[in-house]
Amino acid sequence: QSALTQPASVSGSPGQSITISCTGTSSDVGTYNLVSWYQQHPGKAPKLIIYEDNKRPSGVSNRFSGSKSGNTASLTISGLQAEDETDYYCCSYAGSTTWVFGGGTKLTVL
Amino acid sequence: EVQLVESGGGLVQPGGSLRLSCVVSGLTVRDNYMTWVRQAPGKGLEWVSLIYSGGSTWYADSVKGRFTIARDTSENTLHLQMNTLRPEDTAVYYCARLDWNSKAWSGPWGQGTLVTVSS
Repeated sequence: QSALTQPASVSGSPGQSITISCTGTSSDVGTYNLVSWYQQHPGKAPKLIIYEDNKRPSGVSNRFSGSKSGNTASLTISGLQAEDETDYYCCSYAGSTTWVFGGGTKLTVL
Repeated sequence: EVQLVESGGGLVQPGGSLRLSCVVSGLTVRDNYMTWVRQAPGKGLEWVSLIYSGGSTWYADSVKGRFTIARDTSENTLHLQMNTLRPEDTAVYYCARLDWNSKAWSGPWGQGTLVTVSS
């Protein structure tokens, strides 16, 4: 399976909104409503922030939201805060008990 | 509190073997979908292997035939036997519980153990 495509980096100013895209294929993102997003701080394990395309786990800020159109999923972070500066990864179920991750996006809060 | 603690990482030569362990407390390995996910230095995440609650096992193409996932229910521990290691297997290996309904890693995760394959 090929990795999902994410921009290497995005940036925004405090208070602004940013969107990270995640492009897959009709075999993964486009077929299953099972895209998840993870936030990972340096040296730490990933943390789930969005699952099933657009659902937020309990305890995750409502500033994080997910959406999907065709083969592209998106993560939007509104009201950017300094603590949001870190790496973000998308992941999609790809059928036959396999998963494919994106290459990751580094978010910089200016 | 649920905790996952990995061990067994280290430096190994190409072609060598290593066995990773993940001691789990606070949840029963036998009743959950347990996985290994790895992350090469400075790179993204990669799903490696899954063991169903029923015992069936699944592997990414990149490790199929070389890695074996297993569980010890008496010790509530997850293992990953890695054979014929390659330099591209160098990564931090995390054990993590997968939520089967959402197909997402809702946690918890271990802290990771570093495997370095180099001569």
